[in-house]
Amino acid sequence: SQTIHQWPATLVQPVGSPLSLECTVEGTSNPNLYWYRQAAGRGLQLLFYSVGIGQISSEVPQNLSASRPQDRQFILSSKKLLLSDSGFYLCAWKNSYYLNTEAFFGQGTRLTVV
Amino acid sequence: AQTVTQSQPEMSVQEAETVTLSCTYDTSESDYYLFWYKQPPSRQMILVIRQEAYKQQNATENRFSVNFQKAAKSFSLKISDSQLGDAAMYFCAYRNTGNQFYFGTGTSLTVIP
Repeated sequence: SQTIHQWPATLVQPVGSPLSLECTVEGTSNPNLYWYRQAAGRGLQLLFYSVGIGQISSEVPQNLSASRPQDRQFILSSKKLLLSDSGFYLCAWKNSYYLNTEAFFGQGTRLTVV
Repeated sequence: AQTVTQSQPEMSVQEAETVTLSCTYDTSESDYYLFWYKQPPSRQMILVIRQEAYKQQNATENRFSVNFQKAAKSFSLKISDSQLGDAAMYFCAYRNTGNQFYFGTGTSLTVIP
């Protein structure tokens, strides 16, 4: 069966520090991968989307970047965190071989920038 | 990016009663998918129900059903016989032909015993 792992679960970082959140998927190949941010009281905002290694689409220009160095690995990064980067970050994947499948989500990372 | 609107930030329902959560979306595509996700306090996103836009028949999953009005771009979720475990944040989501998922702002559902 397929599983998605996202870590760390919680992170407290000072303003101006770098960020690296990692997400890996097991049990499938060539997944579509997504990074979302959920701010307090708001919905899920699509940040990045990837259909393959090195292929990243950015939805919202901001202080973050994403990379996909391996087929089932998706990394969210920042060189210098801002207070506004605080939020709940979710990684998700979708099976690229089937049209009617949903997105499956990781457990999320709660990021607090202080 | 497509827009998904959930106009009810909060809803409440008496246990065993029925509640309907609203969702509208904006798109120029004819082929797409719609979803309702549930996010309990654990914050794990759980799929509740899905609807293919090309299907006229409304999807149902046990106590959960949708009212899909394609022309009106409306996709509401009906929860019948509400249970305490249904209390959660509910998100409506739209998936386009490019496989991007867009979510609404969510509706927080409270179930009153």
